[in-house]
Amino acid sequence: IAGITQAPTSQILAAGRRMTLRCTQDMRHNAMYWYRQDLGLGLRLIHYSNTAGTTGKGEVPDGYSVSRANTDDFPLTLASAVPSQTSVYFCASSPWGAPYNEQFFGPGTRLTVL
Amino acid sequence: KQEVTQIPAALSVPEGENLVLNCSFTDSAIYNLQWFRQDPGKGLTSLLLIQSSQREQTSGRLNASLDKSSGRSTLYIAASQPGDSATYLCAVRDYSGAGSYQLTFGKGTKLSVIP
Repeated sequence: IAGITQAPTSQILAAGRRMTLRCTQDMRHNAMYWYRQDLGLGLRLIHYSNTAGTTGKGEVPDGYSVSRANTDDFPLTLASAVPSQTSVYFCASSPWGAPYNEQFFGPGTRLTVL
Repeated sequence: KQEVTQIPAALSVPEGENLVLNCSFTDSAIYNLQWFRQDPGKGLTSLLLIQSSQREQTSGRLNASLDKSSGRSTLYIAASQPGDSATYLCAVRDYSGAGSYQLTFGKGTKLSVIP
């Protein structure tokens, strides 16, 4: 079934540890996105990539990095996790970074930093 | 900065009732508006996408309208069912600079349909 997969489903992490959240899509979409969802704050964009080889910062990029080596994968890395990064992380994609396309979301990764 | 507001934050209705969810946004220079459904502990499912040049979109029992000039959208659900219980999110897409077109989300309306 075509779509977006994210791994892991959930993770408990000690503060200071490095963590990479994985996102893979098989729809050959050019644009990909990472959001975090927090109670009372809604969904906020962390980083995005309009096409393979390019990335950009969203609303809340601090403490996160991304790479886009190919069309299908868009990993999100927390270099040194802090408790404020406890959240649910969603990866999304759209056919192109242009404004008229629909965004599709993955199932999410629930991350707890202790 | 774009801000999206959804009212009410929560809504409880008896099964079979028609209902309207509201979404408002502060900057009318949007490209499109998307309605999503989110079940507890799950990801977002896209329900309807309305381009800025459109007035409404329909899918089954769902109808979404857009009044771009007034910064408002509504999601109408006909003949509600218990399976419609979920959180409904509204998001608008606008230009955020540096060649990026980003979605700004509301905080959602949590709908409960009582059998």
